[in-house]
Amino acid sequence: DAGVIQSPRHEVTEMGQEVTLRCKPISGHDYLFWYRQTMMRGLELLIYFNNNVPIDDSGMPEDRFSAKMPNASFSTLKIQPSEPRDSAVYFCASTALGYEQYFGPGTRLTVT
Amino acid sequence: SQQGEEDPQALSIQEGENATMNCSYKTSINNLQWYRQNSGRGLVHLILIRSNEREKHSGRLRVTLDTSKKSSSLLITASRAADTASYFCATASGTYKYIFGTGTRLKVLA
Repeated sequence: DAGVIQSPRHEVTEMGQEVTLRCKPISGHDYLFWYRQTMMRGLELLIYFNNNVPIDDSGMPEDRFSAKMPNASFSTLKIQPSEPRDSAVYFCASTALGYEQYFGPGTRLTVT
Repeated sequence: SQQGEEDPQALSIQEGENATMNCSYKTSINNLQWYRQNSGRGLVHLILIRSNEREKHSGRLRVTLDTSKKSSSLLITASRAADTASYFCATASGTYKYIFGTGTRLKVLA
């Protein structure tokens, strides 16, 4: 298996633009997690899905953030409009039983 | 809010020495996990210890859990330069909503 795949790996955008981050979990995994990592706040859970259904989105910072999982092999995290404080590394992770999480390589987002 | 707080924040040791890092948490948990993150990479799962376990081993790793003190420790024996990374503990209580600690940056000098 190729592991968790994220795209793009790097994204540079201007404030106010829409940003879409993509994730393909490991086949057969039924949990998918989106995290954000910054120096100031560390690694924060934004939202997680079970069988494509959002279970807990209490970590989503504000309405500018939205996440979808239309099927078992694809998820998106969208920020609209983006702001400089959204600059961070965004990780997607998946797991089969909710325990050992497999992380993707991350998307480094820079909003100027 | 931060659940896990690792201590120390940074640790520098010589190759071959043992490295010990600690994690403290605030609420009751189902299990505690340790992850490693190499610079610029995603996290990699190392070991999971359940709340009814006190000690667990995996290769050169030894994890202990003291639920009365709400703390855990990760020991890496005979460290190698390749162990240089950041180490995080993650806890969950009742759900799959894992909260990661602040991390310990380990540097192993060859």
